[in-house]
Amino acid sequence: GEDVEQSLFLSVREGDSSVINCTYTDSSSTYLYWYKQEPGAGLQLLTYIFSNMDMKQDQRLTVLLNKKDKHLSLRIADTQTGDSAIYFCAPASGGSYIPTFGRGTSLIVHP
Amino acid sequence: EAGVAQSPRYKIIEKRQSVAFWCNPISGHATLYWYQQILGQGPKLLIQFQNNGVVDDSQLPKDRFSAERLKGVDSTLKIQPAKLEDSAVYLCASSLDHRVASYEQYFGPGTRLTVT
Repeated sequence: GEDVEQSLFLSVREGDSSVINCTYTDSSSTYLYWYKQEPGAGLQLLTYIFSNMDMKQDQRLTVLLNKKDKHLSLRIADTQTGDSAIYFCAPASGGSYIPTFGRGTSLIVHP
Repeated sequence: EAGVAQSPRYKIIEKRQSVAFWCNPISGHATLYWYQQILGQGPKLLIQFQNNGVVDDSQLPKDRFSAERLKGVDSTLKIQPAKLEDSAVYLCASSLDHRVASYEQYFGPGTRLTVT
């Protein structure tokens, strides 16, 4: 099955950019999702990228995909305290579109 | 539009007791998912329904877990008997149709289960 690895913590200063990295093992992953989870809340889909794309930009979010290295990253520009949350990388393989979640990266934004 | 509703939000039980969780998906969503999220980990899919049929229950521990979606709308997830390792947040999600990747999964707030 799919294995997804993320660093557990990232601390940034407000206004800086945040980059959250993820590696995965299943080269047949077709859709690669990023979810956000705030304390006590369910998950919210932030963005996703299709496997034939290298980059996708959506307002302050930029997703980069290196399919050869099976590496996915999420960049948040001008990080705000409201961005503090856990971010999950979740590739979906085959035709199921069911995401496999990593352990999540806890983003801490300090003033 | 109303989101995915789950109840109860919190539950504390002793091991070997039974517990049930309820989920009401977004109106019109054909696909319903139950996930288990153990503290410090990402959610793991337990079971997926398309209307009232099971699409995937390969990760469901069927000796103690059961789930149903009899009328293709609401769903219940039951654990009987519970073990300490079942302590987790149980998340319900729904989407318009799992066969279309661009159809987003919408998650409920989850039920936090503590087994003592």
